[in-house]
Amino acid sequence: AQTVTQSQPEMSVQEAETVTLSCTYDTSESNYYLFWYKQPPSRQMILVIRQEAYKQQNATENRFSVNFQKAAKSFSLKISDSQLGDTAMYFCAFMKLDTGTASKLTFGTGTRLQVTL
Amino acid sequence: NAGVMQNPRHLVRRRGQEARLRCSPMKGHSHVYWYRQLPEEGLKFMVYLQKENIIDESGMPKERFSAEFPKEGPSILRIQQVVRGDSAAYFCASSPQRGTYNEQFFGPGTRLTVL
Repeated sequence: AQTVTQSQPEMSVQEAETVTLSCTYDTSESNYYLFWYKQPPSRQMILVIRQEAYKQQNATENRFSVNFQKAAKSFSLKISDSQLGDTAMYFCAFMKLDTGTASKLTFGTGTRLQVTL
Repeated sequence: NAGVMQNPRHLVRRRGQEARLRCSPMKGHSHVYWYRQLPEEGLKFMVYLQKENIIDESGMPKERFSAEFPKEGPSILRIQQVVRGDSAAYFCASSPQRGTYNEQFFGPGTRLTVL
């Protein structure tokens, strides 16, 4: 079974600054995906960024980037130029890659990010 | 293309009543997942269904909970004889047909409150 650990329950960052959210995971699988989801106060789950485990290059989506360390089983999210709209819960998630079939997501417990003026 | 729809958005039940949560996947999606989010926790997988089939129910409580995804109509998550511990947000996600990777698109969730 897979586990996902987010050790920072809460983080705060000033607007325009950079913040890094931590995530570690444990798995015996070799093929998988990792994700960061954002859950604003509306509770809608929004996919922020995705990383394929077989890719060495770190994924980037505009102001969001990841630091994927496969050997260390670490997957941190960096938010640059933080904006007030980034205030939300952030969840790290794991998906086993099962060839030919969709698979369930395993989530961490989340990090509550507050962006301040 | 409308997103994943869930209804009701809020549901209040008294202990012992039944709760029925509905999920309409995105058009063209034939896979549905249900997740539960307890207060101040992350989402936990409950069940994965395709049309008329339960594929993985490893996260479903053994009693009182059931799920279906009929050939026609929405997927239903049914909770019988609800207890206070069932109070949570229930999210549905859908994805298209099988493939190497298919993103799961989430609905807005149903918040169940058991009095």
